[in-house]
Amino acid sequence: DTEVTQTPKHLVMGMTNKKSLKCEQHMGHRAMYWYKQKAKKPPELMFVYSYEKLSINESVPSRFSPECPNSSLLNLHLHALQPEDSALYLCASSQDLGHNQPQHFGDGTRLSIL
Amino acid sequence: GENVEQHPSTLSVQEGDSAVIKCTYSDSASNYFPWYKQELGKGPQLIIDIRSNVGEKKDQRIAVTLNKTAKHFSLHITETQPEDSAVYFCAASKPNTGNQFYFGTGTSLTVIP
Repeated sequence: DTEVTQTPKHLVMGMTNKKSLKCEQHMGHRAMYWYKQKAKKPPELMFVYSYEKLSINESVPSRFSPECPNSSLLNLHLHALQPEDSALYLCASSQDLGHNQPQHFGDGTRLSIL
Repeated sequence: GENVEQHPSTLSVQEGDSAVIKCTYSDSASNYFPWYKQELGKGPQLIIDIRSNVGEKKDQRIAVTLNKTAKHFSLHITETQPEDSAVYFCAASKPNTGNQFYFGTGTSLTVIP
């Protein structure tokens, strides 16, 4: 079982909806990541948080809005998404952003945009 | 950045045989190389990793080798079992990038019973 929990597992939404993806870890990690993964492709980095502050934004469109309320939680707020945003959204965590830190992934939220 | 190439993209082996997946990287500054296994409907799971000060690491049926001179590293799975069937991703990481991982394109491994 993964130690990074993501909810919901599946989400179907229309292009005008607003929804949020949630991620939680209790490993005491201080770095958390959002990735987008299309079928048969590797994960693509979207955002990185370190000690609850946004550290990296990989030029992600503003219709994706991350939030880190505390060191255990990471949210991704979604608004006015496009059909091409349908994908598996993965959350990961690591001890911190120091080098050589393994990242631990959740099982993702499979998002479908109608 | 860093460019990680992974081969083959698909691999089928008979149960009990060995499987080898190879990755090459472009930036000699990379010094951490994790391998992930992703089963259908699941997230990537770390199965083994290696740091550049080590040439080989083994964990039961799984081993990883690293050749820094040639800038390539390989995953070896011995005595394959049907539950080894999954997509495997290699990755490389280098200093001063905020622990960013550069992933390979993935290998879909099928173990035939």
